[in-house]
Amino acid sequence: KQEVTQIPAALSVPEGENLVLNCSFTDSAIYNLQWFRQDPGKGLTSLLLIQSSQREQTSGRLNASLDKSSGRSTLYIAASQPGDSATYLCAVLSGGYNKLIFGAGTRLAVHP
Amino acid sequence: GAVVSQHPSWVICKSGTSVKIECRSLDFQATTMFWYRQFPKQSLMLMATSNEGSKATYEQGVEKDKFLINHASLTLSTLTVTSAHPEDSSFYICSAIVWPVGSEQYFGPGTRLTVT
Repeated sequence: KQEVTQIPAALSVPEGENLVLNCSFTDSAIYNLQWFRQDPGKGLTSLLLIQSSQREQTSGRLNASLDKSSGRSTLYIAASQPGDSATYLCAVLSGGYNKLIFGAGTRLAVHP
Repeated sequence: GAVVSQHPSWVICKSGTSVKIECRSLDFQATTMFWYRQFPKQSLMLMATSNEGSKATYEQGVEKDKFLINHASLTLSTLTVTSAHPEDSSFYICSAIVWPVGSEQYFGPGTRLTVT
């Protein structure tokens, strides 16, 4: 059974720091891995999707890497801003029928 | 990009009543839709997978008679919480895809259900 773990559970940093959020999964047989952002009381915003054949994806200040063999992904946020404050969720697509398995998330607070 | 809407965005109902939540794909036809629930400060848990024109597939532990799912068209799926109780209070989120396996899921904005 696929399980997804995210570390740390919470993070509070001053503005401008470079951040690394970690995601690990137990079954390396995945189709893809996705990082989402969720603001309080809101739905999900897709940030980056990495297909199983890819090693990384970049979008602006965000970079996500995938090491399928070791079951790990990292989300790198450069030059963090207060507007980056949110919960970041990692999810893997594995098994049949397009089931996304989510981690518990990392709650990020960036203070001025 | 693909847009998924949900209605209502929030609802308050009394214990024992039923509530219907709609999930619509606005600019694409979704062969499959998914329903998730999220408790405060917890992650999303898949409740069921809904394919157009067929019965939904429920995850283990989800009561299919309590959470009725209908996917009558390629752009609309509904979740009805029957005989709601306070423990059903949660954030319900839907997503939609166009097959095949591995397709990106597009998420709705969620519905906050509070049962009093």
